[in-house]
Amino acid sequence: QMQLQESGPGLVKPSETLSLTCTVSGGSIITNNYYWGWIRQPPGKGLEWIASIYYSGNTYYNPSLESRVTISVDTSKNQFSLKLSSVTAADTTMYYCARTTGDWYFDLWGRGTLVTVSS
Amino acid sequence: ETVMTQSPAALSVSPGERAILSCRASQSVNSDLAWYQQKPGQAPRLLIYGASTRATGIPPRFSGSGSGTDFTLTISSLQSEDFAVYYCQQYKNWPRLTFGGGTRVEIK
Repeated sequence: QMQLQESGPGLVKPSETLSLTCTVSGGSIITNNYYWGWIRQPPGKGLEWIASIYYSGNTYYNPSLESRVTISVDTSKNQFSLKLSSVTAADTTMYYCARTTGDWYFDLWGRGTLVTVSS
Repeated sequence: ETVMTQSPAALSVSPGERAILSCRASQSVNSDLAWYQQKPGQAPRLLIYGASTRATGIPPRFSGSGSGTDFTLTISSLQSEDFAVYYCQQYKNWPRLTFGGGTRVEIK
């Protein structure tokens, strides 16, 4: 059964770049059926989609974050990654990686990783 | 951007009773609407997609309805494990995916 696992630093300094990786296990990231994405959730608040990527490298971004976000895929490692630049305290949140079907709802989620932006 | 508004923000229900949660879109999303359940400390779990299709393994007490701009998630007989926060998400206007603010279902 496919699983997703986020990894990356839990603490990032303001103005720096947040980098997270999602490792896909139990199946290949190279599939025609799914896209791979990131969603975040501030503590006690709602969900915000950040970006998604297809294994071929096609990318899709939330316009509100697009200027600071880069999503990439490494098929050799069965991973995809997120970079968020120029972070501020407002970027302190739980980050989830998730699998999206071709219909763009999220049917599989990682457990999430909390990233705190602080000096 | 399609704004998703959920109501009420919180709902107190006794076990065994029915809960009805609403989600309204600022513009039509046809039936491109999903519902998720999130328990404390856990990732969201997909419950419903296509406005009314239950995801794999979701019990039949969960049902979704609606199309266009108005949607409902009904939990027919609340079990203890159903007390959680529920989110709707539209995917009609992909890749501009948006979620509602959530409804917390609490024990009465």
